[in-house]
Amino acid sequence: AQKITQTQPGMFVQEKEAVTLDCTYDTSDQSYGLFWYKQPSSGEMIFLIYQGSYDEQNATEGRYSLNFQKARKSANLVISASQLGDSAMYFCAMPGRGIQGAQKLVFGQGTRLTINP
Amino acid sequence: DGGITQSPKYLFRKEGQNVTLSCEQNLNHDAMYWYRQDPGQGLRLIYYSQIVNDFQKGDIAEGYSVSREKKESFPLTVTSAQKNPTAFYLCASSIRSEAFFGQGTRLTVV
Repeated sequence: AQKITQTQPGMFVQEKEAVTLDCTYDTSDQSYGLFWYKQPSSGEMIFLIYQGSYDEQNATEGRYSLNFQKARKSANLVISASQLGDSAMYFCAMPGRGIQGAQKLVFGQGTRLTINP
Repeated sequence: DGGITQSPKYLFRKEGQNVTLSCEQNLNHDAMYWYRQDPGQGLRLIYYSQIVNDFQKGDIAEGYSVSREKKESFPLTVTSAQKNPTAFYLCASSIRSEAFFGQGTRLTVV
């Protein structure tokens, strides 16, 4: 079974600094993907970035990038030049296989990021 | 525009009543999911469905029911058997490298 671990319950960062949010995963699949989501106080889950296990380069989307280290089974999210609006919960997730092989999304516990002015 | 629509955004339920939360997607995604989120907590999987007319129980299915009669729709019913239904409910759909969420329904028992 797939498992996602986010070991940082909370992080505090100064505005304009870069921040790295940790995510480690466990899977026996050879081909898999990893998602990162941002959840502001409004509750909506905003898709940030996706990394496929066979993608040759680390994924990037604007200020977001993934530090994907397959051998270590880690997919850390890097936010460059943090902004006050980055304050939110961040979740790492990956597709897994449930009952009868049906796909399900497996989530980590989340990291609450607070950007200080 | 493609996306997932959850309704209503806010829902109030009296004790002992069943309520149904709507989730519709026009992304042509095969898989759909329902999650529950309590304040300050992560997401817990209630039910998931890979194809029409088939669905599986997640980690906290007791007191909930779903149907998947159409690819686009995956409604969740919170039954009177759910002892503590007050929570934020999120619906999602996915296919390969895409996985998107609706805006959520905040259910309160009054």
